[in-house]
Amino acid sequence: DAGVIQSPRHEVTEMGQEVTLRCKPISGHNSLFWYRQTMMRGLELLIYFNNNVPIDDSGMPEDRFSAKMPNASFSTLKIQPSEPRDSAVYFCASMWGSTEAFFGQGTRLTVV
Amino acid sequence: AQSVTQPDIHITVSEGASLELRCNYSYGATPYLFWYVQSPGQGLQLLLKYFSGDTLVQGIKGFEAEFKRSQSSFNLRKPSVHWSDAAEYFCAVGASSGGSYIPTFGRGTSLIVHP
Repeated sequence: DAGVIQSPRHEVTEMGQEVTLRCKPISGHNSLFWYRQTMMRGLELLIYFNNNVPIDDSGMPEDRFSAKMPNASFSTLKIQPSEPRDSAVYFCASMWGSTEAFFGQGTRLTVV
Repeated sequence: AQSVTQPDIHITVSEGASLELRCNYSYGATPYLFWYVQSPGQGLQLLLKYFSGDTLVQGIKGFEAEFKRSQSSFNLRKPSVHWSDAAEYFCAVGASSGGSYIPTFGRGTSLIVHP
């Protein structure tokens, strides 16, 4: 398996634009996590899906953020409209059962 | 709610010296515990994990960690550090949720290795 695949690796966008980050989890994994990493706040959990269903989205910072998992092999994190303070590295991770989380390479988002 | 504290933001060691990175957790039940490593521009890679059983856990790259319930700690150790070990290290605790668990991470410790 190629591991967790995130795209794009880098995204630079202007304030106010919509940004969509994509994640393909490892085949067979039934849990998916979106994390945001910043110097100020470290690794924060944004949302957690189990069997494609959002279980905990309490970490989503505000209504500008939304996440979907239409099927077991794809998830998106959308920011609309984007703001400079959204600049961060966004990680997707997947897991099967109660084993270990595997992380993607991350998407570095810069909002100017 | 679960939490993880890594008290050292930076640790500097000389190559060949021993290493210990500290991790304390807060969780009401028996925790799942993890150490991950992150190289610059990369994702997180699992070094080792503790679910149950032997409290001394061996991981990849010569790392080990010891779970001490009485101290709520899960410190990471390596007897001899290599320059390639320079990276960011994250301790995490897994809190059960709906048949699975959610990893909660500490702020990380940056390891600097001097030649």
